[in-house]
Amino acid sequence: AQSVAQPEDQVNVAEGNPLTVKCTYSVSGNPYLFWYVQYPNRGLQFLLKYITGDNLVKGSYGFEAEFNKSQTSFHLKKPSALVSDSALYFCAVRGTGGGNKLTFGTGTQLKVEL
Amino acid sequence: DGGITQSPKYLFRKEGQNVTLSCEQNLNHDAMYWYRQDPGQGLRLIYYSQIVNDFQKGDIAEGYSVSREKKESFPLTVTSAQKNPTAFYLCASSLSGGAPGELFFGEGSRLTVL
Repeated sequence: AQSVAQPEDQVNVAEGNPLTVKCTYSVSGNPYLFWYVQYPNRGLQFLLKYITGDNLVKGSYGFEAEFNKSQTSFHLKKPSALVSDSALYFCAVRGTGGGNKLTFGTGTQLKVEL
Repeated sequence: DGGITQSPKYLFRKEGQNVTLSCEQNLNHDAMYWYRQDPGQGLRLIYYSQIVNDFQKGDIAEGYSVSREKKESFPLTVTSAQKNPTAFYLCASSLSGGAPGELFFGEGSRLTVL
């Protein structure tokens, strides 16, 4: 079975400071990892994904994520947070066994304050 | 523009009634999914379909039913057997098979049981 853990329900950061949203995973075989963002009462928007190759993945809106196989982590980062980044962030994983069934974490609410 | 359309956006239902949520996509994706979102629980997979006329149960299929008669459409029926149907329902689609593509989400349907 595959699973994702997002250990923080909420992350608070001041605008202009770097932000990190944590994610760890468990999956058979090599992982495919994804980050999504959700604004209130909206669907999820894709931010970035790790499939293979470079451990540092760059995505939309200045976000990036670092894949760490030994720590089974895929933390989301941004060098300088904006108030408009405030939203709910989901990490997701699927294994390499075919199909496209994603397992999502419980989400982390990011709040960026002035 | 290509995308996924869910309707209705808000729906109220009395206990004991079945309701059907619509999901239509024009992305030419083979695979479609239904997720349920509850506060603090992330997204949980209800049903998914990799191809027309075929679908599989997800993690929480009890009390739900689906059909996939057309590639573009994947309606979800919430039956009276679902014990706690009040939730935010999200439909998604993706390329099928082994390609690790991201999911594209609709804007969601919020169901409230009165």
